[in-house]
This record gives sequence, structure tokens and C-alpha cells, in this order.
Amino acid sequence: SQQGEEDPQALSIQEGENATMNCSYKTSINNLQWYRQNSGRGLVHLILIRSNEREKHSGRLRVTLDTSKKSSSLLITASRAADTASYFCATDNNQGGKLIFGQGTELSVKP
Amino acid sequence: EAGVAQSPRYKIIEKRQSVAFWCNPISGHATLYWYQQILGQGPKLLIQFQNNGVVDDSQLPKDRFSAERLKGVDSTLKIQPAKLEDSAVYLCASSWIPGTDSPETQYFGPGTRLLVL
Repeated sequence: SQQGEEDPQALSIQEGENATMNCSYKTSINNLQWYRQNSGRGLVHLILIRSNEREKHSGRLRVTLDTSKKSSSLLITASRAADTASYFCATDNNQGGKLIFGQGTELSVKP
Repeated sequence: EAGVAQSPRYKIIEKRQSVAFWCNPISGHATLYWYQQILGQGPKLLIQFQNNGVVDDSQLPKDRFSAERLKGVDSTLKIQPAKLEDSAVYLCASSWIPGTDSPETQYFGPGTRLLVL
């Protein structure tokens, strides 16, 4: 079964706009990770946020984590056409590195 | 640093046939994962190895799927016999050089796209 539920399932924006994706999960976690997947390719790790962290930045990415609400959000600022991809959250429930992925958000950035 | 290698990239078979996928993880990575990703869904873990031992295979359909990592390096995933619902992308990932930071980050290969007719 999948732990994370992502919202929205699909998002279409113009280049330069910000994109926000949300992830909710069910059980307690050790950390939460975000991955990107371009069409026909493998997943690429973007950012990891630990359960005792509330916010983390990496370049144009900003991730927040609210463990009381069991939710996380990924913000991509000043989006580019190259950001077009599917984005997945994955939770690590401290089971030896096992990740449980959400169903993903399909982001389309129009030039 | 070379990434995770997988082969073949694409495979088309008929139902009830057998198929095997190969994965070579990043050098030194102790943990290897096989995921199944059905179109429109997130990856689902099939099996996790730590060196050459199985850590988690709770979601592996053992009546038809098998996997091995004999020397603790590369790995093979086999399906025998295949069913229509096995059509998916099979992703291999690896992680963790003992003693280094961020063991939780997984590095994925490009995947093998399987179509069962």
C-alpha cells in the first residue's frame, strides 16, 4: 500500500510561476524525501527533510514538513520548462531504509 | 561516479513467458532495491537487499517473482511466468556506503520497461 497521497495529481503553470505540491502520509516517519522523474527515466533525489526539521531549502526548492498534520509541501520557485516532470514524495518509516512512495504530481511548465 | 545501470531498457514478451532484468548498483553501495512502477503510480518496493542478504521481500509475489544478489554487487530480478498485470517499469536503486552520510538517499537506474502481451 502507498503511504503518501499527493495533491494535486496534475499541475500546469507558466514558466516563471511558482509550483506547490503537497504530500500527506499516515504513519510516523524518520524522514521524508522528494524525488523527480522525467518521462521514461529513473527517479532523481531532490531533497530530504528529517522528522525534527520544519523547513529546508535547496536552490529553487523549498520543502516544509508538519509532523502534527502528517504533511509536507514542495515549492519550486521561478519554474522553468525543464522542471516539467513527475514529483514524488517518499517516506522513510525507519524500516532499514525502505521508502514508501506517493502516487506523484505531474507538473507541466509551459514556456 | 557511474550511476546505477540496468538492462535491458525495454522488453516485450507474451504472457506465461519468462523474463529477467539485471541491475548493477553504484560501486560500494551496500543496499539494493527493486521497485515496480505501474503507469500513473509511484514506485512500489518489491525487494530490498543488504549486501547479499534479503532485508524485505514482503511485497514480492513469490509464486512468480524471484531475485538474487549472489556476490553482494549486481542483482537479477526474474518473472516466471509473466502475467498481463506485470506490465510496468522495473526500477533498481542503491544506497549507502557504510560510514558515509545520508544513507537514506536512494540512487535510481533508468528502469526496464516491460510490456506483457
